[in-house]
Amino acid sequence: QKEVEQNSGPLSVPEGAIASLNCTYSDRGSQSFFWYRQYSGKSPELIMSIYSNGDKEDGRFTAQLNKASQYVSLLIRDSQPSDSATYLCAVLSGGSYIPTFGRGTSLIVHP
Amino acid sequence: KAGVTQTPRYLIKTRGQQVTLSCSPISGHRSVSWYQQTPGQGLQFLFEYFSETQRNKGNFPGRFSGRQFSNSRSEMNVSTLELGDSALYLCASSLRVGQGPQETQYFGPGTRLLVL
Repeated sequence: QKEVEQNSGPLSVPEGAIASLNCTYSDRGSQSFFWYRQYSGKSPELIMSIYSNGDKEDGRFTAQLNKASQYVSLLIRDSQPSDSATYLCAVLSGGSYIPTFGRGTSLIVHP
Repeated sequence: KAGVTQTPRYLIKTRGQQVTLSCSPISGHRSVSWYQQTPGQGLQFLFEYFSETQRNKGNFPGRFSGRQFSNSRSEMNVSTLELGDSALYLCASSLRVGQGPQETQYFGPGTRLLVL
């Protein structure tokens, strides 16, 4: 059974700090990795996708993928109170169209 | 380009009733997936429709069903509602092009269902 694990948190960081969110997955055949942000009462919003080992940067967000160790992480630089949300990690196996979602990590950025 | 839309946004029903939720995918997207999200269970996959056919199904009872129309719009139906069906129901659409693994799902705003 494919599993995606995330620490539920909450992860609390001060404004301006770097928030580091981690996700591990069980299926070695996984090929596509996504990070979604979900504000309370709202639907998930895609913020990053990554497909190959290494780092991918988009503004204040950096996704890091290590397929050998089966983990993907999301770094948020210069964290803002508006970044406070639950971050969902989703993993897509090769040949599959249905991603497996983690339970999400709650991030709190305090002023 | 307009995003995924879902109607209604909020719904209150009583036990035993049935409900139909609607989802319109992003223009050009042919795959529609449905998820149930609750605080206790997180995001759980219900089923996926592509070209009017159910292609994947999650582990939910037969009370949960769906369909997809030729314009890719999809409906989800829950019969004989139970209190535990109270949840946020999310629809997501994707291109589903060939065998490409780089499929991205885009979510609609969801329908919040409360069963009393």
